[in-house]
Amino acid sequence: DAKTTQPTSMDCAEGRAANLPCNHSTISGNEYVYWYRQIHSQGPQYIIHGLKNNETNEMASLIITEDRKSSTLILPHATLRDTAVYYCIVRVGGMYSGGGADGLTFGKGTHLIIQP
Amino acid sequence: NAGVTQTPKFQVLKTGQSMTLQCAQDMNHNSMYWYRQDPGMGLRLIYYSASEGTTDKGEVPNGYNVSRLNKREFSLRLESAAPSQTSVYFCASSFSGRSSYEQYFGPGTRLTVT
Repeated sequence: DAKTTQPTSMDCAEGRAANLPCNHSTISGNEYVYWYRQIHSQGPQYIIHGLKNNETNEMASLIITEDRKSSTLILPHATLRDTAVYYCIVRVGGMYSGGGADGLTFGKGTHLIIQP
Repeated sequence: NAGVTQTPKFQVLKTGQSMTLQCAQDMNHNSMYWYRQDPGMGLRLIYYSASEGTTDKGEVPNGYNVSRLNKREFSLRLESAAPSQTSVYFCASSFSGRSSYEQYFGPGTRLTVT
């Protein structure tokens, strides 16, 4: 799996958009970008994933650059409950997966702190 | 649906003792996983099971064994616990193949080995 680079920590004011960057310059054509978050002491939670198009769901938006070497996770209206560690993960998945399964490779992620 | 459940939530062992961590999922997922998380670190894959009847080693399998008991249950066994195995253990499950984009995690088991 390609390696990812994320800032160690970020602050954001409550109610503002939180933009979390991720660099994955060695990403391969069959690798997706996944975002998970881990709220203190809980198990990680899936947020969103994408291959090359921008994606949006009820939690967040994912913007992937045209060369796919970086991406940004956007939480449009951050709340205090969004304070968590956010992990950007690159791996083969979805339509490119074979019949088996692969684990996720977690780095240290970005500790996002939402300030009141 | 309960999702992914893990037992116990907390456990303290003495060096050399053995124990089994239990995990069950009720989402009809094919694949199941065991991770460990040390303080300040990301999760690391211990073992995974792509489907019932198969298991494979992950990044850090030494000192652990697993059993995929049936489609719902995947257990992790420490035969002779060591202080280096003090960690939080997470179980996860997912569909496999084309639908394998999301893993669902349990609440974790906090294990201390003294």
